[in-house]
Amino acid sequence: KQEVTQIPAALSVPEGENLVLNCSFTDSAIYNLQWFRQDPGKGLTSLLLIQSSQREQTSGRLNASLDKSSGRSTLYIAASQPGDSATYLCAVDTGTASKLTFGTGTRLQVTL
Amino acid sequence: GAGVSQSPRYKVAKRGQDVALRCDPISGHVSLFWYQQALGQGPEFLTYFQNEAQLDKSGLPSDRFFAERPEGSVSTLKIQRTQQEDSAVYLCASSRTGDGEQYFGPGTRLTVT
Repeated sequence: KQEVTQIPAALSVPEGENLVLNCSFTDSAIYNLQWFRQDPGKGLTSLLLIQSSQREQTSGRLNASLDKSSGRSTLYIAASQPGDSATYLCAVDTGTASKLTFGTGTRLQVTL
Repeated sequence: GAGVSQSPRYKVAKRGQDVALRCDPISGHVSLFWYQQALGQGPEFLTYFQNEAQLDKSGLPSDRFFAERPEGSVSTLKIQRTQQEDSAVYLCASSRTGDGEQYFGPGTRLTVT
């Protein structure tokens, strides 16, 4: 059974810092990996999707990498801003009915 | 045009009541997913539709949970005889194809008292 772990569970950084969020998964036979952002009381906003054949994806200040063989992904956020404060979730798609298996998230706070 | 919508946004039910949660996917999206998110946890898969066919319902926690998508568009998740442990946020997602990026709705927060 696929298990997804995210470290750290919570992170507080001052504005302007670069930071890395980590995601690991136990079964490397994945179809793709998706990073989401969730604001309190809200649904999930898709940030980046990496196909299993890709090694990274970039969108603005966000860069996600994927090392399928070692079961790891990282989300890099450059020049963090208070508006980046949210919970970040990673999810893997094993291709079985395309259901996503989620980690428990990293709660990020960016302070002024 | 708009994204995935869900209604109601909030639902309070007394234990033993039946509830129905609605999901309107993005127009033209073939695949529809339901997830359950407990407080402080990541979402967990409940069930998956491709058009009107329910291809996977392995995540439904009990036979009190039932989902349908009769015309391949709007979907309803029904929970019969609600229990306190059913309290959670129920998220719906859709994707253009079964293997594509999933887009989530705002969720329905169910509280069973």
